[in-house]
Amino acid sequence: EAGVAQSPRYKIIEKRQSVAFWCNPISGHATLYWYQQILGQGPKLLIQFQNNGVVDDSQLPKDRFSAERLKGVDSTLKIQPAKLEDSAVYLCASSPGRGEQFFGPGTRLTVL
Amino acid sequence: SQQGEEDPQALSIQEGENATMNCSYKTSINNLQWYRQNSGRGLVHLILIRSNEREKHSGRLRVTLDTSKKSSSLLITASRAADTASYFCATDSISSGSARQLTFGSGTQLTVLP
Repeated sequence: EAGVAQSPRYKIIEKRQSVAFWCNPISGHATLYWYQQILGQGPKLLIQFQNNGVVDDSQLPKDRFSAERLKGVDSTLKIQPAKLEDSAVYLCASSPGRGEQFFGPGTRLTVL
Repeated sequence: SQQGEEDPQALSIQEGENATMNCSYKTSINNLQWYRQNSGRGLVHLILIRSNEREKHSGRLRVTLDTSKKSSSLLITASRAADTASYFCATDSISSGSARQLTFGSGTQLTVLP
């Protein structure tokens, strides 16, 4: 089966600019996650969707980050405006609900 | 916040040796999972051990779980250069609203020298 797809793979922007990331989960997976992974650290959950509803966004900096999952399939994560400390890898994962999560390759964001 | 903390942060061994990584966590869990991440890539699920299990094997991997000590270990036997990667433990807990989610540790960077 096809894995989790993410795009773009790399993005370089200036601070205060906007950026959007896209994720296509594994077909049939109801749960979708966005993580932020700063260099040298483990992934940190930003937001969790169950179908097209938000389950947990307690760690999402809502003043600048937003995410949506249209029709319970694809998802986009947006940062507006970006700050230097947003430089990280943004990982998307999906799960059928058994516990195991399947990760995409990630988007490496550099904010200059 | 980081629930699991791996030890050591970095480990360097010779090919053929065994590698042991430890993970400690703080709260009650449903299960504990180990993931691997090659440089510049996404995470790959290795093994899941449930809270009522004490040991699990998968190929060259052996995982133990001690819920009384809130700790787990991952053993990779007969290591290969291709095992070089970062290894993360992740605890599965029930968040508010009965949503299953993982909390990752900071990882162990394993280097296997040929």
